Amino acid sequence: AQSVAQPEDQVNVAEGNPLTVKCTYSVSGNPYLFWYVQYPNRGLQFLLKYITGDNLVKGSYGFEAEFNKSQTSFHLKKPSALVSDSALYFCVPHSGNTPLVFGKGTRLSVIA
Amino acid sequence: DAGVTQSPTHLIKTRGQQVTLRCSPKSGHDTVSWYQQALGQGPQFIFQYYEEEERQRGNFPDRFSGHQFPNYSSELNVNALLLGDSALYLCASSFLSSGNTIYFGEGSWLTVV
Repeated sequence: AQSVAQPEDQVNVAEGNPLTVKCTYSVSGNPYLFWYVQYPNRGLQFLLKYITGDNLVKGSYGFEAEFNKSQTSFHLKKPSALVSDSALYFCVPHSGNTPLVFGKGTRLSVIA
Repeated sequence: DAGVTQSPTHLIKTRGQQVTLRCSPKSGHDTVSWYQQALGQGPQFIFQYYEEEERQRGNFPDRFSGHQFPNYSSELNVNALLLGDSALYLCASSFLSSGNTIYFGEGSWLTVV
């Protein structure tokens, strides 16, 4: 079974500060993990994914995520937040050809 | 390279009516999935099409049906619309292979009145 948990419904951060959106996973075998972002009234945009290899994954818009097997985490990070990063973020497991299973996500608010 | 495109972007229907939503996958992608996203919720999987056949289906009633054409584009049909069908409908495309990136369109906003 594949599942993730985003423990925070809402994250607030000041513009220019580093941001972290947390994700912990529970998957069997080798996990594939994706991060998607949804800006207000928009569709989903792919940010990055972990399949195998380097634990530090770099993605779009300056985001990165570190796969930590011992802590079963895949937290999304950015060194310096922008107001335009304010959006809904989804951490999503993927396995084989099964459909993506979404939770409610984490709403990030970057305050100027 | 065009991404996933969906039409229409917004539409309003009356209860009991039928609606058809359309999706063109990202160039080269052979698999299309549809998701429903109600307000304040994450997307919920409706079904997936590959080689013009429905391969997987989520927990949605038979009122929801679909089709995939030889050019890989797809339609989502919803019959006998209910107020609760009001949502953002998202189309996603990919290659049918584990770990491949799944790309989403901007969605179709359906309001049922």
